[in-house]
Amino acid sequence: DGGITQSPKYLFRKEGQNVTLSCEQNLNHDAMYWYRQDPGQGLRLIYYSQIVNDFQKGDIAEGYSVSREKKESFPLTVTSAQKNPTAFYLCASSIDGRPIPQHFGDGTRLSIL
Amino acid sequence: QKEVEQNSGPLSVPEGAIASLNCTYSDRGSQSFFWYRQYSGKSPELIMFIYSNGDKEDGRFTAQLNKASQYVSLLIRDSQPSDSATYLCSTSGTYKYIFGTGTRLKVLA
Repeated sequence: DGGITQSPKYLFRKEGQNVTLSCEQNLNHDAMYWYRQDPGQGLRLIYYSQIVNDFQKGDIAEGYSVSREKKESFPLTVTSAQKNPTAFYLCASSIDGRPIPQHFGDGTRLSIL
Repeated sequence: QKEVEQNSGPLSVPEGAIASLNCTYSDRGSQSFFWYRQYSGKSPELIMFIYSNGDKEDGRFTAQLNKASQYVSLLIRDSQPSDSATYLCSTSGTYKYIFGTGTRLKVLA
């Protein structure tokens, strides 16, 4: 079955630590996205990538970094510079940049130890 | 700042009634409009999408779009307790999706 796989489902970060959230898709989609969701809030865009080896900052990119070395993979690193990382992180993809529905992964819940 | 606004609710309706969820958006360049259902702790699930003015029906769900008023709504007929969730409205242009904060729907058995 085609889809998006996010791992891990739950992640804990210590102070000063960088952590990386995995996102893999087998839908052959060009565009991939990372969102953050805080309790009672909508989704806010962190980064997006239109194509391999290219990515753009979203609305809340500070304290985060990404890479897109393969079409299937778009990992997100939450750096120690992100002072309030506790949130639900969602990875999504779409065929390309057209305004069509996105596919979402199941999410990673990140908490501070 | 482009925005999508929704009433946070909760919107409580009795089982079998029609639930009406509303959304306004500020970007006149928005091309597509989506409704997602999100259960607590889960990822959003696409319910409906609409591109053109008017109504679009799919089973118990009807999406309504009025671009002149910058307004999109979702009607859920014969509401069931399993419809209890948060409903996110989203608009889209090229590579840009903007989400509202969601409306929490409670269907009372």
